Amino acid sequence: AQSVTQLGSHVSVSEGALVLLRCNYSSSVPPYLFWYVQYPNQGLQLLLKYTTGATLVKGINGFEAEFKKSETSFHLTKPSAHMSDAAEYFCAVSGLDTGRRALTFGSGTRLQVQP
Amino acid sequence: DTGVSQNPRHKITKRGQNVTFRCDPISEHNRLYWYRQTLGQGPEFLTYFQNEAQLEKSRLLSDRFSAERPKGSFSTLEIQRTEQGDSAMYLCASSGQGLVAEAFFGQGTRLTVV
Repeated sequence: AQSVTQLGSHVSVSEGALVLLRCNYSSSVPPYLFWYVQYPNQGLQLLLKYTTGATLVKGINGFEAEFKKSETSFHLTKPSAHMSDAAEYFCAVSGLDTGRRALTFGSGTRLQVQP
Repeated sequence: DTGVSQNPRHKITKRGQNVTFRCDPISEHNRLYWYRQTLGQGPEFLTYFQNEAQLEKSRLLSDRFSAERPKGSFSTLEIQRTEQGDSAMYLCASSGQGLVAEAFFGQGTRLTVV
């Protein structure tokens, strides 16, 4: 079975600072990996995904993530935080036991951006 | 199309009552998923439909939970004899064809059992 661990339930950065949200996964097969963002009272929105190919994946709103197989990691970064980035971020891996249809999510990291 | 729609947005019910939630997916999407999200946790997969066929339901939390998608369009999730532990956000998502087609999520139905 797959699992996802997000290190740090809360991360606080200053506006303009680097954002780094950590995600480690466990999967017995090559994983498909995702980052979603959830704003208050909103549904989850896909930021980016890794399936195959280039290990550095660029997403929306200036975010990117790098798949590192040797470290079983898929950390999310953004060079310069903006106030509008404050939200909850979820890392997810596709569920092989459902034919890669469903997602297994981490417990989330709440990002605060200080002015 | 305005995306995945879930109704109601909020539901307060007394313990022991039955509740039903509705999800209208994006019209051209043939896959539909239900997830549950409790406070401080990520969404937890419950069940999945491809068209009207329920292809995975072993993750439903108990036999009090059931889901249908009778015509391959909208779906309902029913919880019978609700318990306080059922209080959570219930999320619906839909996606098109393709192994890693993006799943689009609705805003969820927040259930409070009192």
